[in-house]
Amino acid sequence: DTGVSQDPRHKITKRGQNVTFRCDPISEHNRLYWYRQTLGQGPEFLTYFQNEAQLEKSRLLSDRFSAERPKGSFSTLEIQRTEQGDSAMYLCASSRFGDSQETQYFGPGTRLLVL
Amino acid sequence: KNEVEQSPQNLTAQEGEFITINCSYSVGISALHWLQQHPGGGIVSLFMLSSGKKKHGRLIATINIQEKHSSLHITASHPRDSAVYICAVGIYTGTASKLTFGTGTRLQVTL
Repeated sequence: DTGVSQDPRHKITKRGQNVTFRCDPISEHNRLYWYRQTLGQGPEFLTYFQNEAQLEKSRLLSDRFSAERPKGSFSTLEIQRTEQGDSAMYLCASSRFGDSQETQYFGPGTRLLVL
Repeated sequence: KNEVEQSPQNLTAQEGEFITINCSYSVGISALHWLQQHPGGGIVSLFMLSSGKKKHGRLIATINIQEKHSSLHITASHPRDSAVYICAVGIYTGTASKLTFGTGTRLQVTL
């Protein structure tokens, strides 16, 4: 297994367009997290899944954001009608619930720039 | 006030110096994580600890639960240690251990 992967690594889009990001977690991990990191700040929690169920969403996740994990494996994060304020690094992490210490393993991130 | 505070925000050191980065938090936690982020964004988990001290190579992490404080030490620093070091606390919500992050400490190690 090669760790958590994210696609694309970079995305430039015009304001108002929709974008979709994908995260492939480590294969035996049942938990998947999405975070957003703006320039000069630490990451902020957006949402997480346990298997295919989305169990928690941050207030940061406006109606324009939707995340899915349909088969409990990969996840997608879609942003509709992008705004310049959505420009950030979107990070995905996965973990295995049930481990005595739940270490989250991070992907390389998708850097979004909204023009 | 942020739930997780790191200091210093920026740190410049010469190769070989002993480095300390501090993290204070204000909430009850299930565990504290130290993460390393290189330019380009990728994050690597360095340590997860809930008590005491852990050591990996030249890196040492300590935590004092009573004082809600943790430190990350780098011995014999090297230019390849240059990165942003982020402290994150895991807060167990009953369903998951959600991470709350500090803003990071940017370390630059020069020759």
